[in-house]
Amino acid sequence: GNSVTQMEGPVTLSEEAFLTINCTYTATGYPSLFWYVQYPGEGLQLLLKATKADDKGSNKGFEATYRKETTSFHLEKGSVQVSDSAVYFCALDTNAGKSTFGDGTTLTVKP
Amino acid sequence: SQTIHQWPATLVQPVGSPLSLECTVEGTSNPNLYWYRQAAGRGLQLLFYSVGIGQISSEVPQNLSASRPQDRQFILSSKKLLLSDSGFYLCAWSVPYDEAFFGQGTRLTVV
Repeated sequence: GNSVTQMEGPVTLSEEAFLTINCTYTATGYPSLFWYVQYPGEGLQLLLKATKADDKGSNKGFEATYRKETTSFHLEKGSVQVSDSAVYFCALDTNAGKSTFGDGTTLTVKP
Repeated sequence: SQTIHQWPATLVQPVGSPLSLECTVEGTSNPNLYWYRQAAGRGLQLLFYSVGIGQISSEVPQNLSASRPQDRQFILSSKKLLLSDSGFYLCAWSVPYDEAFFGQGTRLTVV
């Protein structure tokens, strides 16, 4: 079956530091890949997505590139802010009946 | 536009009481529907998903059940709540290969 493995947290960074959260996946066929963000007490919301190999998703300074050869979709941001503190989930979807999520990575950015 | 309504936002229930959480979706047809539970500081635990009316797949044996009486309505129920049922419950919908849309969540406390 499909699975998503993402970097364990928590991750603590200073403001303006570089962020990488690793995500690798196993899937049958060619999935769409997603990063979601969850702020305290809220549901998840889409951060960015990529639907085919070599696509780069980007939003709010975050980027991730769909790497089919390494089955990866690592999340990066060049300079994090305190307001980026949240839980980040990597996920995939195919036509196999359900979305598949990683376990989430908690990011804390300190001023 | 596509929206998802989940209610109530918070709920405090005594042990042994019944539970009914409702989720409705607007702006799409025949979505995949999901119920997740999230313990504090933890990832998403998929409880149930549905690919069509009356079709429910259970991921984890437990004290809960789900029903989909209409295409865009998904209900999470319990006949008798346990303390261990406390948590943050999230409803979501998706269509194949596309992003998932989450409700705002229900914070359930069983006392």
